[in-house]
Amino acid sequence: AQSVTQPDIHITVSEGASLELRCNYSYGATPYLFWYVQSPGQGLQLLLKYFSGDTLVQGIKGFEAEFKRSQSSFNLRKPSVHWSDAAEYFCAVGDAGNMLTFGGGTRLMVKP
Amino acid sequence: NAGVMQNPRHLVRRRGQEARLRCSPMKGHSHVYWYRQLPEEGLKFMVYLQKENIIDESGMPKERFSAEFPKEGPSILRIQQVVRGDSAAYFCASSPGSDGLPSGYTFGSGTRLTVV
Repeated sequence: AQSVTQPDIHITVSEGASLELRCNYSYGATPYLFWYVQSPGQGLQLLLKYFSGDTLVQGIKGFEAEFKRSQSSFNLRKPSVHWSDAAEYFCAVGDAGNMLTFGGGTRLMVKP
Repeated sequence: NAGVMQNPRHLVRRRGQEARLRCSPMKGHSHVYWYRQLPEEGLKFMVYLQKENIIDESGMPKERFSAEFPKEGPSILRIQQVVRGDSAAYFCASSPGSDGLPSGYTFGSGTRLTVV
């Protein structure tokens, strides 16, 4: 069975600082990987996804993620965080059967 | 092109009542997924449906919960005899799902159920 672990429940960074959110997955085959963002009281918005090819994936809002098979990781990064990035971030792994399994989420707070 | 529409946004029910949550997928999407998000927790898969078919309901509680996606109309998640522990945000997502790849879901804004 596939699973996703986001080790950091809460992260606080200063505005303008760089950000890295960790995601580790467990999956027997080539994974399909996703990052979603959820603003308070809202649904989830897709930031980026990885299926194959280049292991560095660019997404919306200046985010990127790198797939590292050897580490079973798909960490999300942003070079300079804005106050509007404060939200909850979810990593997910999918299979060819259209099923997504989500991690527990990381809540990002941004200090002025 | 409207996204995934869920209604109501907020629903308050007394213990023992029924809750009906509706989800209209994006135009052209034929696959619907329901997830539950408990306070301070991540999303837990409940059920995956296509039109008139339940594909996977491994995440659905065995009692009181049911889901359908009829040929016409929205998908419905039904919770009978609600209890306080059912209080959560329920999210619906849809995907075209026709190419064998998890193309990434499009989520609705959720229904926040409060049981009093």
